[in-house]
Amino acid sequence: AQSVTQLGSHVSVSEGALVLLRCNYSSSVPPYLFWYVQYPNQGLQLLLKYTTGATLVKGINGFEAEFKKSETSFHLTKPSAHMSDAAEYFCAVSHTGANSKLTFGKGITLSVRP
Amino acid sequence: DSGVTQTPKHLITATGQRVTLRCSPRSGDLSVYWYQQSLDQGLQFLIQYYNGEERAKGNILERFSAQQFPDLHSELNLSSLELGDSALYFCASTPTVGSGANVLTFGAGSRLTVL
Repeated sequence: AQSVTQLGSHVSVSEGALVLLRCNYSSSVPPYLFWYVQYPNQGLQLLLKYTTGATLVKGINGFEAEFKKSETSFHLTKPSAHMSDAAEYFCAVSHTGANSKLTFGKGITLSVRP
Repeated sequence: DSGVTQTPKHLITATGQRVTLRCSPRSGDLSVYWYQQSLDQGLQFLIQYYNGEERAKGNILERFSAQQFPDLHSELNLSSLELGDSALYFCASTPTVGSGANVLTFGAGSRLTVL
């Protein structure tokens, strides 16, 4: 079984400040890890993903995440927040296999203060 | 536009009724997934179809059913609706059967309100 924990439901930062959204996963097999973003009244879209290889993954809009196996974590960061980053962010886990499915965390709402 | 089309965008109905949500996957994608998003449960996987066949089942209620047609569009049927079924229902698609490393492409969702 696999699961994702996103602690806290809401994070608020000032524009220009560091964004850090935490994600911890549980998986009995090597995981594939994803961050998706959901803007108001829209579907989810992929920010970045980790499958194999380099553990630091860069995504769209200046976001990046680092896979740390020893900590079972895949935290999302962005050096400088922009107002347009305000959205809900979901961490998700999957794994290889024909019947694998994506399991999402509860999501974190990011607010950006001017 | 993600390429995944969901209709209707909004639906308001009464308890006890039945509704059908429709999804057209991205061109070339054979696998369709349905997710339910609610405030208390978050994003819950309901069911997956691949090329017309059911491949995986998640937390789908017996009152709900789905199918994927030969043209690859999918329908999610919700019956005997209860207030707690009010949620945003997402469809997503991938080219192949396993979500694995594949990126799910999501539609914009169908918001169901049960009064």
